[in-house]
Amino acid sequence: DTGVSQDPRHKITKRGQNVTFRCDPISEHNRLYWYRQTLGQGPEFLTYFQNEAQLEKSRLLSDRFSAERPKGSFSTLEIQRTEQGDSAMYLCASSLNSGVLHNEQFFGPGTRLTVL
Amino acid sequence: QKEVEQNSGPLSVPEGAIASLNCTYSDRVSQSFFWYRQYSGKSPELIMSIYSNGDKEDGRFTAQLNKASQYVSLLIRDSQPSDSATYLCAVRETDSWGKLQFGAGTQVVVTP
Repeated sequence: DTGVSQDPRHKITKRGQNVTFRCDPISEHNRLYWYRQTLGQGPEFLTYFQNEAQLEKSRLLSDRFSAERPKGSFSTLEIQRTEQGDSAMYLCASSLNSGVLHNEQFFGPGTRLTVL
Repeated sequence: QKEVEQNSGPLSVPEGAIASLNCTYSDRVSQSFFWYRQYSGKSPELIMSIYSNGDKEDGRFTAQLNKASQYVSLLIRDSQPSDSATYLCAVRETDSWGKLQFGAGTQVVVTP
């Protein structure tokens, strides 16, 4: 399977706990994105990496959220002190920066987070 | 706040008919437009991308773009029950390195 993979697929946690999600992009893709989706809404951008550099972060992203892509390959998204409002599907996408203006993004299966 | 607007539906379409989905966007200088299909409980799947005014066809799907009217649409010909899903319109923001702005999606229900 050469698509985007995410782990875990489901996470149930208690309010106040920390959680970490992992994303492995398509192997030749150098751009990696994190989105969050709640029921009835489209995905909402969280942050973006080109190789290991985090180039953009949503203003909506509180300081409880942090993301890394240490070697320009896989990425992790950590949420500290989870709140019930963090319950959502967390989606990772990757794309190839080929120098062309347009970059198609391909999504992984997502991690569904439930905060009790 | 840049916006992408879609009718939420549900859009009910008889099997074999054409489904027509519409999307408007507020960022006048957007360059890249995408349609994703999302089945319930699954992640979005890219089905079409379009960058130039006019029509782009891929199998039973046709995307149409009119930048002057800030309007992009998706036609699904010969609709099948397997096309029942939510269709998300996405626009790449011009002041971003690839961030997509999504609409809330249109739910399509194809009835046998």
